[in-house]
Amino acid sequence: QSVLTQPPSVSAAPGQKVTISCSGSSSNIGNNYVSWYQQLPGTAPKLLIYENNKRPSGIPDRFSGSKSGTSATLGITGLQTGDEADFYCGTWDSSLSAGVFGGGTKLTVL
Amino acid sequence: EVQLLESGGALVQPGGSLRLSCAASGFTFRNYAMSWVRQAPGKGLEWVSAITTGGSNTYYADSVRGRFTISRDNSKNTLYLQMNSLRAEDTAIYHCAKETTVAHITTTFDYWGQGTLVTVSS
Repeated sequence: QSVLTQPPSVSAAPGQKVTISCSGSSSNIGNNYVSWYQQLPGTAPKLLIYENNKRPSGIPDRFSGSKSGTSATLGITGLQTGDEADFYCGTWDSSLSAGVFGGGTKLTVL
Repeated sequence: EVQLLESGGALVQPGGSLRLSCAASGFTFRNYAMSWVRQAPGKGLEWVSAITTGGSNTYYADSVRGRFTISRDNSKNTLYLQMNSLRAEDTAIYHCAKETTVAHITTTFDYWGQGTLVTVSS
C-alpha cells in the first residue's frame, strides 16, 4: 500500500489529452514539492516534472504538472504511442522522514 | 555526462548480507544528497534510503530500517548500501539516484543508474 495514491491505469487515443492524479496528505504533498517520473519498459525512471510544475531541460511542454492542497496532477497533451509507459509521482514525507512514491500509473495510448 | 553505475547485486540466501556500490561521475558528488530506490519484479518504485552530502544524516524506509545502512565515500565518488538480514521481499532492482538540488533531500532525482539486481532466495 503506497503512501501516495495513483490510478493503476489510464488510456486515451493518440493526439488526445490525459491526466494522472496523485493523492497524499499534509505531511507529504501538502507541504513538499512533487516530482513525476516516466519509466519506459526495461529502463530507469526519467524525471518529467519537478517542484510541482517545472520541466527539466529536454522535456517537451506536452507534459505539465500542478498541485493543489494534498493532490498533484500530471497532464500529457498530444498523446503519442511513444508515451506509453508507467508514471510515478514522488515526494518527501515530513512525518515519516522518508521519501514516498505513488504506486504507479500505466498509460496506454490506444 | 553524469553517470551512476551500480554494482554488487547477486543471488543471496535469506538472512544473508550484500553490499551494493554506486560509482558516480560527471558531477561534483560531494555536493549532492543521494538515495537508493528499488523496484521489485513487476512492481512500482520504492524509496529505500537517503544520505546527505557529508554523510552525517541518513534516512530509511520502515521496511529496511535496522537492516540496511547507507553510506558514502566522497573521496571515491561512491555511494554504498549495506544490506543485512535479507528477506525474500527485498528481491528487486536497486537504483541509486542523484538529487536535483545541491545539498538538499527532496526526493527529486534527475539522474538514475540502471540498477543492480538483488535476488533473495534459497
